[in-house]
Amino acid sequence: EAGVAQSPRYKIIEKRQSVAFWCNPISGHATLYWYQQILGQGPKLLIQFQNNGVVDDSQLPKDRFSAERLKGVDSTLKIQPAKLEDSAVYLCASRVEGYGYTFGSGTRLTVV
Amino acid sequence: DQQVKQNSPSLSVQEGRISILNCDYTNSMFDYFLWYKKYPAEGPTFLISISSIKDKNEDGRFTVFLNKSAKHLSLHIVPSQPGDSAVYFCAASSSGSARQLTFGSGTQLTVLP
Repeated sequence: EAGVAQSPRYKIIEKRQSVAFWCNPISGHATLYWYQQILGQGPKLLIQFQNNGVVDDSQLPKDRFSAERLKGVDSTLKIQPAKLEDSAVYLCASRVEGYGYTFGSGTRLTVV
Repeated sequence: DQQVKQNSPSLSVQEGRISILNCDYTNSMFDYFLWYKKYPAEGPTFLISISSIKDKNEDGRFTVFLNKSAKHLSLHIVPSQPGDSAVYFCAASSSGSARQLTFGSGTQLTVLP
């Protein structure tokens, strides 16, 4: 079974620029999550999708972050404009009901 | 407001000895607890879990203990191996939160040969 694919692996941008991350979950996994992991902290949930609908985006900074999941499969997370404090690893995870999470390798974002 | 806390940022253990990683939680609605292991440049991988109806779950060298009254869980690794060196995250979820995971800040385990 293929895992959760994320790209790019690394990204360096200047503050106020925009950036997008892509996630391809495991086939058949209806639930998809984006987590933000700041260095020295545990992952923090940004948004949860069920198929192509948003279940919870209460912790997504909506003034600069947006996410979508087209056709209930791939998902993109965008930051515009980026701030220095957005430097983190962005993790995508997918899950099928009754089973645990599978995480991707993440995208490490550095904002300079 | 940290609902899941791992108070030890790091732990060093000699190979062959027991590693004990601790985790405390505050939200009494949590009913499912998990441990994840993370190597550098990789995503967290599931290690072991425990439901709140149990107080112990064992899988090979890994055992998780849950003390609901103290809102505390621990992960025991026996015997510890150098390949166990990684960051270990404790996570918790509740059926009422659509099974979202709340993570602790992690403990870096180093197993010395």
